[in-house]
Amino acid sequence: DTGVSQDPRHKITKRGQNVTFRCDPISEHNRLYWYRQTLGQGPEFLTYFQNEAQLEKSRLLSDRFSAERPKGSFSTLEIQRTEQGDSAMYLCASSLAGIGNQPQHFGDGTRLSIL
Amino acid sequence: AQSVTQLDSHVSVSEGTPVLLRCNYSSSYSPSLFWYVQHPNKGLQLLLKYTSAATLVKGINGFEAEFKKSETSFHLTKPSAHMSDAAEYFCVVSDRGRDDKIIFGKGTRLHILP
Repeated sequence: DTGVSQDPRHKITKRGQNVTFRCDPISEHNRLYWYRQTLGQGPEFLTYFQNEAQLEKSRLLSDRFSAERPKGSFSTLEIQRTEQGDSAMYLCASSLAGIGNQPQHFGDGTRLSIL
Repeated sequence: AQSVTQLDSHVSVSEGTPVLLRCNYSSSYSPSLFWYVQHPNKGLQLLLKYTSAATLVKGINGFEAEFKKSETSFHLTKPSAHMSDAAEYFCVVSDRGRDDKIIFGKGTRLHILP
């Protein structure tokens, strides 16, 4: 399978702990996006990278959140000192920058539950 | 500013009958529009996209959508529903001026009745 893969699929942790998620995009895609989705809502944009550069961050991305894409391939999203409100599905997507609006391809997400 | 409104949060249809999921958009540029489907505990799968070519767009699994600029609509249709179509559907808009940012609607849950 050459789609977007995310790891882990599920993460349960206690409030106050740090968590890290990983996303491997489609190999030829140079753009990588992170979204958060809560129950009954559409995905909300968090941040995105073009190659290794983080080009935009949403106001939703508090200072407890940090994302990296060090070599322009896989990316990690870390949440420090987790809170109850961080419980959500975290989705990663990738796309190819170029002519026209290339669609984003999504992974199956990481579901985070904060106890 | 760009935005998208999905007019129904839930739609129920009987198997074998037509499906209509409604979407209206607001965009300050000529938009690109997409429909994605999400099955439970899965990511989003692209159904179809409109990027200023033909106004009637055909997608996967028998779905299609028609871009109507005068009505600022991009409704999703399928002639005959199948049980496997039960899922959440998202209408998405992307400004032509930006090809790196998309905005999701709140979604429509499609229920298929046997």
